[in-house]
Amino acid sequence: LAKTTQPISMDSYEGQEVNITCSHNNIATNDYITWYQQFPSQGPRFIIQGYKTKVTNEVASLFIPADRKSSTLSLPRVSLSDTAVYYCLVGVSNYQLIWGAGTKLIIKP
Amino acid sequence: DTGVSQDPRHKITKRGQNVTFRCDPISEHNRLYWYRQTLGQGPEFLTYFQNEAQLEKSRLLSDRFSAERPKGSFSTLEIQRTEQGDSAMYLCASSLADRVAFFGQGTRLTVV
Repeated sequence: LAKTTQPISMDSYEGQEVNITCSHNNIATNDYITWYQQFPSQGPRFIIQGYKTKVTNEVASLFIPADRKSSTLSLPRVSLSDTAVYYCLVGVSNYQLIWGAGTKLIIKP
Repeated sequence: DTGVSQDPRHKITKRGQNVTFRCDPISEHNRLYWYRQTLGQGPEFLTYFQNEAQLEKSRLLSDRFSAERPKGSFSTLEIQRTEQGDSAMYLCASSLADRVAFFGQGTRLTVV
């Protein structure tokens, strides 16, 4: 089961682009990379999922290098409401995903 | 709202009492998961169902915990003889097979 390493916390300012990098050195061939966002007292909210290269949706972009040993979640032009905990998960089956403590992102005005 | 629904949102109970939580998944999702989350930590997997069959249980799921999904739709999680250490957020999620899981808002349990 692939574990991930991500920064405990990050700060940024409104309007900036924020990049959160996650390391997953022992990612398996079939593993997907999934990111969730969680606000206090709420359940995690799915942001984006990818397998390789780049994935973009209306909320974020996910960059995955060729070796897939890391990934970067990119949030364009953040606002105060993007203050949350962001989780990086690697695996195939949902029940086997290992949730760490995530990255606490604080956006300042 | 057609997302995952959990009830109640908050529950305060006295130590030793039994509590039951309900989860209604997204209607077409055949898999349903239960997690527990304590402050500052990520969710911890407890158990999951595929349709009505309970396929996996974590070691965290002590014999005081039981989950059911009798008709393959909604699920209940019961905790018997609650202890203070059971205080946590209990999260339910659902998915279509092994596709992305979507979470409910959670049930916050406080054992006093």
